[in-house]
Amino acid sequence: DIVMTQSPDSLAVSLGERATINCKSSQSVLYSSNNKNYLTWYQQKPGQPPKLLIYWASTRESGVPDRFSGSGSGTDFTLTISSLQAEDVAVYYCQQYYSIPFTFGPGTKVDIK
Amino acid sequence: QVQLQESGPGLVKPSETLSLTCSVSGGSITSYYWSWIRQPPGQGLEWIGSIYYSGSTNYNPSLRSRVTISLDTSKNQFSLRLSSVTAADTAVYYCARHTDDDLTRPFDYWGQGTLVTVSS
Repeated sequence: DIVMTQSPDSLAVSLGERATINCKSSQSVLYSSNNKNYLTWYQQKPGQPPKLLIYWASTRESGVPDRFSGSGSGTDFTLTISSLQAEDVAVYYCQQYYSIPFTFGPGTKVDIK
Repeated sequence: QVQLQESGPGLVKPSETLSLTCSVSGGSITSYYWSWIRQPPGQGLEWIGSIYYSGSTNYNPSLRSRVTISLDTSKNQFSLRLSSVTAADTAVYYCARHTDDDLTRPFDYWGQGTLVTVSS
């Protein structure tokens, strides 16, 4: 299984400031034949299902604000919220869809400082 | 707009079988891959398995011996059965759609989730 880790476990950021979440996979999720990273990010608010934010490591899902961005390749990835808004308070998960079983990171909780 | 809705018992006794159904509206189940994912209270997400409209299934090896996923195209539904449950199977169970007609894709539509508690 590909093990996903995230750091930090939680972070508190002032409104309007940048939040950065890291995700690492135990093996590369870059598929050489199409040069795509099979890595996605979700946002989960209390009592709600996860919401797809970013796929292919850096492609924003339709309707997702452009303050959310994803970067990285291979085994190391980052989700950045450029200017934190109150509605961004949530837990953020990365997930690999490169191989079965699909696995998720443990989550990073983002709060307002 | 595609919508998914889980249904089934909220309480299951230990050693019995958990059965859930996901009803899909706003789109046909006869395309895309469909999955079950669970989340124990206060914990992270675990992929259980997936099914294609052809009936082809893929399961998490950690659960494969206890899991069956099936679908009913006439009702636009797919189902989960998890046998020999224990307290460790207590979780919110989600059904979800993969973004494309390909298994190796993320999940773009999710049900609201249903809490299943395993207790006598």
